[in-house]
Amino acid sequence: EAQVTQNPRYLITVTGKKLTVTCSQNMNHEYMSWYRQDPGLGLRQIYYSMNVEVTDKGDVPEGYKVSRKEKRNFPLILESPSPNQTSLYFCASRGQSYEQYFGPGTRLTVT
Amino acid sequence: GENVEQHPSTLSVQEGDSAVIKCTYSDSASNYFPWYKQELGKRPQLIIDIRSNVGEKKDQRIAVTLNKTAKHFSLHITETQPEDSAVYFCAANGAGQNFVFGPGTRLSVLP
Repeated sequence: EAQVTQNPRYLITVTGKKLTVTCSQNMNHEYMSWYRQDPGLGLRQIYYSMNVEVTDKGDVPEGYKVSRKEKRNFPLILESPSPNQTSLYFCASRGQSYEQYFGPGTRLTVT
Repeated sequence: GENVEQHPSTLSVQEGDSAVIKCTYSDSASNYFPWYKQELGKRPQLIIDIRSNVGEKKDQRIAVTLNKTAKHFSLHITETQPEDSAVYFCAANGAGQNFVFGPGTRLSVLP
């Protein structure tokens, strides 16, 4: 089954404790993205990747890091999380068409 | 960069009536305009999209129109049903692989 998976689905952490949210897709897609979703703001792109070792900033990259060492994986790293990073995070992937497939989401709370 | 506005933010219609959601974008280079439906607690799902070389696209009860000159596009849902109740997002592809989403419209279909 073609899918995008994310882990963990829910995470509560404290300010400053490094965390990683994993994202994996099994569709051999070149493009992968991370979004955060906040009430009234829609989805905002954090980072995207066009292929292995090729990443670029989206609209809200501050406080986040990503890496793309393998085509199927695109982890999101928060080196020092802060309360304003409390949000719902979605990973997405797409092939050569523009249609994006979203993961199930990760709800992050930073206290 | 690209900026996408979406109206209205909330919309209530009677079952069987039509619903229209409108979006405007700023970057004349954008050429792909998807619409996503997000049910409560779920991931966004693509329901219809349109490319800049097409003025209108229809899929059963859902249609999208695009006016490139005015830089706006609209989602039309006819014969609405309770299961159409959800949050709808429009989006446009900005520079590179950057996707910009509108803030969303909460559609309620009243029985």
